[in-house]
Amino acid sequence: GAGVSQSPSNKVTEKGKDVELRCDPISGHTALYWYRQSLGQGLEFLIYFQGNSAPDKSGLPSDRFSAERTGGSVSTLTIQRTQQEDSAVYLCASSFAGTGNTIYFGEGSWLTVV
Amino acid sequence: KQEVTQIPAALSVPEGENLVLNCSFTDSAIYNLQWFRQDPGKGLTSLLLIQSSQREQTSGRLNASLDKSSGRSTLYIAASQPGDSATYLCAAQTSGSRLTFGEGTQLTVNP
Repeated sequence: GAGVSQSPSNKVTEKGKDVELRCDPISGHTALYWYRQSLGQGLEFLIYFQGNSAPDKSGLPSDRFSAERTGGSVSTLTIQRTQQEDSAVYLCASSFAGTGNTIYFGEGSWLTVV
Repeated sequence: KQEVTQIPAALSVPEGENLVLNCSFTDSAIYNLQWFRQDPGKGLTSLLLIQSSQREQTSGRLNASLDKSSGRSTLYIAASQPGDSATYLCAAQTSGSRLTFGEGTQLTVNP
C-alpha cells in the first residue's frame, strides 16, 4: 500500500498475556518510529530504527516492551505480560532518513488490556 | 529535555473565522517543527514541516511560522471550515530519532 500499515487495528487482551503489534512502513523509508498515545495524553516516544544502526530504545517504558525490525522493513512491537496501564493506541511512523523529511503515521493499533 | 506546550487546549469557532493555534518549545536547538492533524480514532496526518532555517511554510489555507529564538510556532488557518475540526499537534524534532509532541489543540468549527 501507499501508506504506513499497522495490524491489528484493534486488540483486546487479558492482563498477563503477551501481544505483538505489526508495522509495515512506506516502501523505501529507512526510519521507523513507534509512539504510544494514552487516552487524553500526548504522544510518548517508544523506539526508533534507522537503517542498520542500533535502535534508540530510550523511550521503552519497561523491559516488558521490545521491538525488532526485520530486513530493514517490517517492525514488530512486543509487550509481554500486559498490564492495564498498557492500554493505549500504539502508533507507527516512517520517513526517509534525515531530519528534514516528513514523517508519515499509520492509523494505529488500539490495545485494550482487561 | 525538550518540552512542547500548545495553547489553547480546545477552541470552538464559527465557520469562516481565521484562527491561530500556538505552540511553544523550551529547547531552541531543533532541526524542524512539524504540525500534524489527528481526526478521532485515526492516526496523524502531516500538515506542514518547517526546517530550522525557515521562518514559515504555507499549504492552501494553512500557514505555519517558526521563531526559534523565542521558541514559538503558530499555525494560522484561514477561512475555517467544519471539515477542519480535528486535533492539531505540533512536534519539535531535536534529533534524528526524537519528535517531542505537544498535547494538542482540539478545534471545533461550527457550521
